[in-house]
Amino acid sequence: NAGVTQTPKFRILKIGQSMTLQCTQDMNHNYMYWYRQDPGMGLKLIYYSVGAGITDKGEVPNGYNVSRSTTEDFPLRLELAAPSQTSVYFCASSYSYASSGNTIYFGEGSWLTVV
Amino acid sequence: AQSVAQPEDQVNVAEGNPLTVKCTYSVSGNPYLFWYVQYPNRGLQFLLKYITGDNLVKGSYGFEAEFNKSQTSFHLKKPSALVSDSALYFCAGGSQGNLIFGKGTKLSVKP
Repeated sequence: NAGVTQTPKFRILKIGQSMTLQCTQDMNHNYMYWYRQDPGMGLKLIYYSVGAGITDKGEVPNGYNVSRSTTEDFPLRLELAAPSQTSVYFCASSYSYASSGNTIYFGEGSWLTVV
Repeated sequence: AQSVAQPEDQVNVAEGNPLTVKCTYSVSGNPYLFWYVQYPNRGLQFLLKYITGDNLVKGSYGFEAEFNKSQTSFHLKKPSALVSDSALYFCAGGSQGNLIFGKGTKLSVKP
């Protein structure tokens, strides 16, 4: 069972470039999330989706965009990359709201460096 | 506003000794609380969660956590630490909206 799969694992971007982080899950989860992890800062929610066609901003959405055309896929797009977007990005999913007790399952992470 | 705090950046334990990683929360209503573990260069793995019922929750790899409503705490514990337990541990919680994650505690278990 693959769970949550995200690609690429590592990427170096130049300032001003754009890219898309891909995420897919095979657990038929309704909810999907994108987090970024910075050293000593824990996880910050970028965007989330409660189902196909529905997305919403999290705590740190600026500089990012998402779409959810299918239940399985939730890509994260970085427009005009900036050094402040150097981080580790995690895609995750859950059956329903984690704050209702549903477990969030994480992908393996994408290490992004903007130079 | 809801919050989850992990007051220790790092916890050092000798192998075979008991370990505790602390977590406190400020959540309105009935809280749902989680512990996750992250090994180097990996994603977060679910350890255990408290939803309701027994205050002592048992999880993966011999870990357990105790929910204490009066102290608003959800400390992670293990009776006998292993070197392989060395990792970054995250507490998370919430009662509505999205889950709030603590900043993480690095656990170092020395032989």
